[in-house]
Amino acid sequence: GNSVTQMEGPVTLSEEAFLTINCTYTATGYPSLFWYVQYPGEGLQLLLKATKADDKGSNKGFEATYRKETTSFHLEKGSVQVSDSAVYFCALSGGGSEKLVFGKGTKLTVNP
Amino acid sequence: GAVVSQHPSRVICKSGTSVKIECRSLDFQATTMFWYRQFPKQSLMLMATSNEGSKATYEQGVEKDKFLINHASLTLSTLTVTSAHPEDSSFYICSASQGAGGQETQYFGPGTRLLVL
Repeated sequence: GNSVTQMEGPVTLSEEAFLTINCTYTATGYPSLFWYVQYPGEGLQLLLKATKADDKGSNKGFEATYRKETTSFHLEKGSVQVSDSAVYFCALSGGGSEKLVFGKGTKLTVNP
Repeated sequence: GAVVSQHPSRVICKSGTSVKIECRSLDFQATTMFWYRQFPKQSLMLMATSNEGSKATYEQGVEKDKFLINHASLTLSTLTVTSAHPEDSSFYICSASQGAGGQETQYFGPGTRLLVL
């Protein structure tokens, strides 16, 4: 079945540091890939997505590229801010199902 | 665009009472909505898939008689926790699906925190 494995946290960085959160997946066919962000006490917000190989999703300075050859969708940001502190979830859907399969989440804390 | 609301955002109730949570897609129509439960510091657990005009599809281990789901229109789904008990206390999040043909994207509501005393 489909599955998502993402880097375990927590991750703690200083402001303006470079961020990478690794995400790899197992899926049949060509899934769509997503990154969601959850701020404390809130629901999930779609951060970015990619629906086919080599697509790059980007939003708010975050980027992730759909790499079919390595089955990866790593999240990157060149310079993090304190306001980026949150939990980040990698997810996929596909195989004829709209259901999302989530990774376990990675908590990011950015210190001033 | 693609805004999903939930009401209430927080509810405290006595054991044995029923609680209804509403999920609305505000600016799009959603044939399919999803209900999740999230325990502290954990990922989301899918409870059920709600399809407009038909019965919900529940995930294995989720009691359909306890968690009643109604999807009466293309913009509204409700989750009723019947005869709630303290172990039902959790963060409940809904999502609504937009798009079709393998291009679906789920947009999430802000969540409802339920505390059963």
